[in-house]
Amino acid sequence: AQSVTQLGSHVSVSEGALVLLRCNYSSSVPPYLFWYVQYPNQGLQLLLKYTTGATLVKGINGFEAEFKKSETSFHLTKPSAHMSDAAEYFCAVSDSFGNEKLTFGTGTRLTIIP
Amino acid sequence: KAGVTQTPRYLIKTRGQQVTLSCSPISGHRSVSWYQQTPGQGLQFLFEYFSETQRNKGNFPGRFSGRQFSNSRSEMNVSTLELGDSALYLCASSPNPQGSGANVLTFGAGSRLTVL
Repeated sequence: AQSVTQLGSHVSVSEGALVLLRCNYSSSVPPYLFWYVQYPNQGLQLLLKYTTGATLVKGINGFEAEFKKSETSFHLTKPSAHMSDAAEYFCAVSDSFGNEKLTFGTGTRLTIIP
Repeated sequence: KAGVTQTPRYLIKTRGQQVTLSCSPISGHRSVSWYQQTPGQGLQFLFEYFSETQRNKGNFPGRFSGRQFSNSRSEMNVSTLELGDSALYLCASSPNPQGSGANVLTFGAGSRLTVL
């Protein structure tokens, strides 16, 4: 069975500063990893995904994440935070290609300080 | 291209009642998944349908059920509502779980259910 741990339920960064949201996974098989963002009163939007291949994955809105198998991590970063990045971010894992059953982390609420 | 549409967006029910939620996937998408989101339990997988067949099911009691129609639209039903069923129910669609769009879910805005 898979699981995801997101360290830090709340993260605050200043506008223009580096954003780092942490995600560690547990999976008995090579994982498929995802980051989703949720704005208030909206559904989830896919930021990026890792399935196979390049371990550094670039997503939308300037976000990227690096799959590190040795550390079982998939941390999300953005070099320079923008006010519009304030939202809740979820890391998720699937155990196989085509398995739409995602296991989500508990989420990290990102606050941007002007 | 229209996104995933969920209806109703908000509803209030009382304990013991039942509720049906509807989801219209993106045109051409054939797979529909349902998730429950609560402050306490977070996001939890309910079930997934593809070509009118349930492919996967989460760990929820039998009071939670779903179905998919030939046009890929999906409904989920919760019977004998309990206070703990209050949640945001999210529907997601994907093109084809066995094709190039596999594992890429597009979520709707959700149906927020309050049970009194």
